[in-house]
Amino acid sequence: DAMVIQNPRYQVTQFGKPVTLSCSQTLNHNVMYWYQQKSSQAPKLLFHYYDKDFNNEADTPDNFQSRRPNTSFCFLDIRSPGLGDAAMYLCATSIGSNQPQHFGDGTRLSIL
Amino acid sequence: RKEVEQDPGPFNVPEGATVAFNCTYSNSASQSFFWYRQDCRKEPKLLMSVYSSGNEDGRFTAQLNRASQYISLLIRDSKLSDSATYLCVVTSGTYKYIFGTGTRLKVLA
Repeated sequence: DAMVIQNPRYQVTQFGKPVTLSCSQTLNHNVMYWYQQKSSQAPKLLFHYYDKDFNNEADTPDNFQSRRPNTSFCFLDIRSPGLGDAAMYLCATSIGSNQPQHFGDGTRLSIL
Repeated sequence: RKEVEQDPGPFNVPEGATVAFNCTYSNSASQSFFWYRQDCRKEPKLLMSVYSSGNEDGRFTAQLNRASQYISLLIRDSKLSDSATYLCVVTSGTYKYIFGTGTRLKVLA
């Protein structure tokens, strides 16, 4: 089945220690998104790629970076995680703008 | 005013009941509308897109009212398995999806 896969499902890291979350898709969608979702809040868009074009949201901290080496994969790098970065990180894809988004299972990040 | 607003609930309803949620949005230029279901500590899952003519999928009916800028979701014959948070999503510009904070539904046996 075509899908969006995130790894790992759970990630524990230390305060200030860089961490990378990964996302892959078999849907062959042009657009990939990274969201941060904290408890009882709406998902918050961090950035998105249309193909290789990267678009950063204005309020995404510099601490968050992303890479999309090819259509199928996208990575979220958190350079120096703080306690406030503990959250669920969701990867999503869509075939284009204004089309339904398809989400991966998410990675739950904990900071010690 | 938030771009997308939902009543957070929780809505506690007995099995078999009909329940309706509304979601209002502020951008009159919004083009696409969706309802997602999110279970606790899981990812959002697309429930249905919402079209101007209204659309139905089994026990679920979605409506869009552009004049009043709201969308609605009606669930008939509620099941225990319908217990979840229902997220309203509205597009606002290119690749910009605005999520509501969700409405919690608890279906009681």
